[in-house]
Amino acid sequence: ETGVTQTPRHLVMGMTNKKSLKCEQHLGHNAMYWYKQSAKKPLELMFVYNFKEQTENNSVPSRFSPECPNSSHLFLHLHTLQPEDSALYLCASSQRLAGGKETQYFGPGTRLLVL
Amino acid sequence: DQQVKQNSPSLSVQEGRISILNCDYTNSMFDYFLWYKKYPAEGPTFLISISSIKDKNEDGRFTVFLNKSAKHLSLHIVPSQPGDSAVYFCAASASGGSNYKLTFGKGTLLTVNP
Repeated sequence: ETGVTQTPRHLVMGMTNKKSLKCEQHLGHNAMYWYKQSAKKPLELMFVYNFKEQTENNSVPSRFSPECPNSSHLFLHLHTLQPEDSALYLCASSQRLAGGKETQYFGPGTRLLVL
Repeated sequence: DQQVKQNSPSLSVQEGRISILNCDYTNSMFDYFLWYKKYPAEGPTFLISISSIKDKNEDGRFTVFLNKSAKHLSLHIVPSQPGDSAVYFCAASASGGSNYKLTFGKGTLLTVNP
């Protein structure tokens, strides 16, 4: 595998379910990100990790719980979601934190549908 | 309030012609701008960027122009090819503070017709 991979690619879950999204980067990067893209909205930054430490929680509801066990893996644990949480969830990584000057590499995303 | 705006949801051009995608921003602290391209079922991929100290950056068929006074940037693709058909996102960041944050526009769907 190369680049940034995400599993599953598609997920349907009920509001009472618990599920997890997984992201893995094979680029040797130190920073990882979770983004959310809802229909007809821009990509929204959710969480940022730098060297496994969370540096940003962009006012995300607690029903989304990130986990970064090492610099290569990032998880997003989901529980008691709402239908409005249905969206494309994108993971990204970069060599370091440095805004746009540091290229972020994105995974293909997980398309989530909450029923 | 959206700080990065792409007011054209879609654009259609003929192969070989020029494609011009526009982006406006409101935050005067933004000093670095990027364009990402996204094909269906794939994540966005970095295309080209420009620093606020420049007004133009060129990479092959792709050129980004920045007009700081108008808070406007544009991406020119010439000549356009059918493989350029994708959603193009404009993004911006500001130095200092949480300077790793990218603020994205909603995207413009470019269709290049053979």
